[in-house]
Amino acid sequence: KAGVTQTPRYLIKTRGQQVTLSCSPISGHRSVSWYQQTPGQGLQFLFEYFSETQRNKGNFPGRFSGRQFSNSRSEMNVSTLELGDSALYLCASRYTGGESSGANVLTFGAGSRLTVL
Amino acid sequence: AQSVTQPDIHITVSEGASLELRCNYSYGATPYLFWYVQSPGQGLQLLLKYFSGDTLVQGIKGFEAEFKRSQSSFNLRKPSVHWSDAAEYFCAVVPGGGNFNKFYFGSGTKLNVKP
Repeated sequence: KAGVTQTPRYLIKTRGQQVTLSCSPISGHRSVSWYQQTPGQGLQFLFEYFSETQRNKGNFPGRFSGRQFSNSRSEMNVSTLELGDSALYLCASRYTGGESSGANVLTFGAGSRLTVL
Repeated sequence: AQSVTQPDIHITVSEGASLELRCNYSYGATPYLFWYVQSPGQGLQLLLKYFSGDTLVQGIKGFEAEFKRSQSSFNLRKPSVHWSDAAEYFCAVVPGGGNFNKFYFGSGTKLNVKP
């Protein structure tokens, strides 16, 4: 079974630009979560999507947005980039099917490393 | 405030020595508990989880963790560390009640292994 795929793996942007990151979850996983990881702040929750609906959102400004498509693939967008947005952005998918042993565990992609100059 | 605490930012152990990484949480009901490991430049990989039942859980790569309700702790252990265990380790919590929409992560512990 293919894992969680994130693209692009690395990207460099300048302040004021916008960026879109993509995440393809494991087949059958309908929940997709996004986290921002920085050395100073650790792992911070951005949002979680399930069946194209955002169910939970972290404490980030409105410049951070996301969406999920009918095939469970997800994208996140950051507009008007700031230097502080430089981070590793991690996507994780989750199988939500009942009490099976694989349910309700986050499986992470390798991340998208964003550098803002 | 609800939180997940990993008191040790860095730990160095010699190869072959035992390891214990600490994790404490502050949530009212018994939470769901996880340990993840992250190698440089990679995503996080699940080592083990605790949902219910036996409080000593076994994971991959020879790791185990023990849930102690009285101490609100979920410490990770390994009897003999290998050089390949050098990585960063994260404890994660989902508060009791089963809303898995949001996982709370500790700040991580970086493990260095001396030859």
